[in-house]
Amino acid sequence: QVHLVQSGAEVKKPGASVKVSCKTSGYTFTRSTMHWVRQAPGQRPEWMGWINVGYDDTRYLEKFQGRLTITCDKSAGTAYMELSRLKSEDTAVYFCAREQWVDGAFDIWGQGTMVTVSS
Amino acid sequence: DIVMTQSPDSLAVSLGERATINCKSSQSILHRSNNKNYLAWFQQKPGQPPKLLIYWASTREAGVPDRFSGSGSGTDFTLTISRLQAEDVAVYYCQHYYVIPVAFGQGTRVEFK
Repeated sequence: QVHLVQSGAEVKKPGASVKVSCKTSGYTFTRSTMHWVRQAPGQRPEWMGWINVGYDDTRYLEKFQGRLTITCDKSAGTAYMELSRLKSEDTAVYFCAREQWVDGAFDIWGQGTMVTVSS
Repeated sequence: DIVMTQSPDSLAVSLGERATINCKSSQSILHRSNNKNYLAWFQQKPGQPPKLLIYWASTREAGVPDRFSGSGSGTDFTLTISRLQAEDVAVYYCQHYYVIPVAFGQGTRVEFK
C-alpha cells in the first residue's frame, strides 16, 4: 500500500527557513513525480512545485522562485520542500502529493504539515 | 495561467438527494492528442488532505462509491453525488492538471439541509 508520511508541525519566525520531509513507501519512488501543495486556512489548495525524481528535474511556481527548493533522497525514498525567507502569509498546511503517472492526477497525499510563521 | 471557478460556493442538500457542483476552466483542458480532459475532483474533510475522487473528468478512482460521477469536456465540468450520504459532507475541489501550474477551484462546501 502506498503511503506518504510527512514531518511534524513547525513554528518559525519571519525571515527563517523551514524544511518539510515526505517519506514514501509502497511504490517505486525513483519512477515518480512528487508535487508540493499548500493550503492556507480557509483557502483553496495552491500548487507550489514538483520534482521528477528519476530525472532530478524541478519546476516551481513563479511566485516562489528564489525561495523554494524541492529535493529528494532516492536511497531514503524521501522528498523535501524547503521554503526560505518566511513571511506570515506562508502560514499554511503543506502537503506532498504523488502524481499517479506521467501527467496524471495527484492520487496519494501526505497527511500535511502545519507551518506557522509568527514573531 | 488557467483559472478554475466553481459554483456554487456552498450547497445544502437533504440526505439521499442529489448534489451537483459545477467547475469552469478559463481555457480548454481537453488534450486533442489523447482526447482526455485533464480535470480531477477532490473531497476534503476538516484536518485531512484532499482525496482524489475523479480523474480524466469522469474516471472514478478505485474505491470511490459509484454515487460520485463526473462529466463535461473542454471548459465545463460537473461533479454529481447522486444520493447524498452523511459521510459526503465535505468541501469539494476541482483541479486542472493540463499544464504547469496546475490550479484548484475555490471549493464548494456541501452540507445537510
